[in-house]
Amino acid sequence: TQLLEQSPQFLSIQEGENLTVYCNSSSVFSSLQWYRQEPGEGPVLLVTVVTGGEVKKLKRLTFQFGDARKDSSLHITAAQPGDTGLYLCAGETLNDMLRFGAGTRLTVKP
Amino acid sequence: GAVVSQHPSWVICKSGTSVKIECRSLDFQATTMFWYRQFPKQSLMLMATSNEGSKATYEQGVEKDKFLINHASLTLSTLTVTSAHPEDSSFYICSARTGGTQYFGPGTRLLVL
Repeated sequence: TQLLEQSPQFLSIQEGENLTVYCNSSSVFSSLQWYRQEPGEGPVLLVTVVTGGEVKKLKRLTFQFGDARKDSSLHITAAQPGDTGLYLCAGETLNDMLRFGAGTRLTVKP
Repeated sequence: GAVVSQHPSWVICKSGTSVKIECRSLDFQATTMFWYRQFPKQSLMLMATSNEGSKATYEQGVEKDKFLINHASLTLSTLTVTSAHPEDSSFYICSARTGGTQYFGPGTRLLVL
């Protein structure tokens, strides 16, 4: 079983729709990071959330860290085809390791 | 921003041969680097933590004699897949940590025939 449960695993939506990806765990993390990965490339960091209850916005992307620092969500408003990709959450454990969720493969159709 | 490179970007080898993958931090020094493996349509799985000047720490289930890690300098870590077999075919990604953030390399795709 994975330390971080990410859902949904696959998501296919139309351009302009909103979506939310969830990342849940029973463990507490010192920080939680969201990455986006294109095929054949390494993951690229989108955001790091550190404080429980923290909300960060990156243009149409909104990231939230749960109050207990065990879960997080990524919300995308008015999705565009350019948002297509694999979205990964990763929790940083107390010994500075990154544990990744299974990933959410998003497809936005024009 | 911090840049991490990997070489080669892809490699095809015969079963039984050894393959070395390099991970370099180009504009910063990293006392700690990490090696991950990613199978098709799956997430990244941590293989080992590479510490400059000391032995690597391997995750449970990862054979240290098969996946040799050398972190000889503050900007270079190497992963050698010894006696590679087809089941070792995967996407290998390294990361280097600075300022509390891990920066990832572009990955190396290994295909063992």
